[in-house]
Amino acid sequence: GNSVTQMEGPVTLSEEAFLTINCTYTATGYPSLFWYVQYPGEGLQLLLKATKADDKGSNKGFEATYRKETTSFHLEKGSVQVSDSAVYFCALRAAGNKLTFGGGTRVLVKP
Amino acid sequence: DAGVIQSPRHEVTEMGQEVTLRCKPISGHDYLFWYRQTMMRGLELLIYFNNNVPIDDSGMPEDRFSAKMPNASFSTLKIQPSEPRDSAVYFCASSFSSGRSTGELFFGEGSRLTVL
Repeated sequence: GNSVTQMEGPVTLSEEAFLTINCTYTATGYPSLFWYVQYPGEGLQLLLKATKADDKGSNKGFEATYRKETTSFHLEKGSVQVSDSAVYFCALRAAGNKLTFGGGTRVLVKP
Repeated sequence: DAGVIQSPRHEVTEMGQEVTLRCKPISGHDYLFWYRQTMMRGLELLIYFNNNVPIDDSGMPEDRFSAKMPNASFSTLKIQPSEPRDSAVYFCASSFSSGRSTGELFFGEGSRLTVL
């Protein structure tokens, strides 16, 4: 079946540091890939997405590139802010239409 | 456009009571998903519907849980009888099929359930 593996947190960073959250997946066919973000006390919001190999999704300074050869979709941001403190979820949606999530990575940015 | 609307936002009940959570998906979406989130188990898919028909309920923990979608604009998740281990945040999400869009799900703000 489909699965998503992402690095466990928590990840603690100082403001303006570089952030990388690794995500790899296993899927049949050609899934769409997503990063969702969950701020404290809120629901999940779509952060960015990519639908085919070599696509780069970007939003709010975050980027992730769909790498089919390594089955990865790593999330990066060059300079984090305190407001980026949240839980980040990598996910895929394949032909079965079910969204499969990774376990989530908690990120804490300190001033 | 209104997003996915869930009610109640918070529910506190006693063990043994019936709990009903409600969801109104985004108009036009043909998929609806119920998820549960806890610290211990993370985000779990309970059940999902396509065109009001349940497609996969393998994530429903036990017979105490049931979900219905009587029409395209309303779904319920019922727990009867409730137990303390059911305490969690329950999220509803809706989407178009992955064939009609890039496939992202839109989530409601969640219903936080506490069973005493």
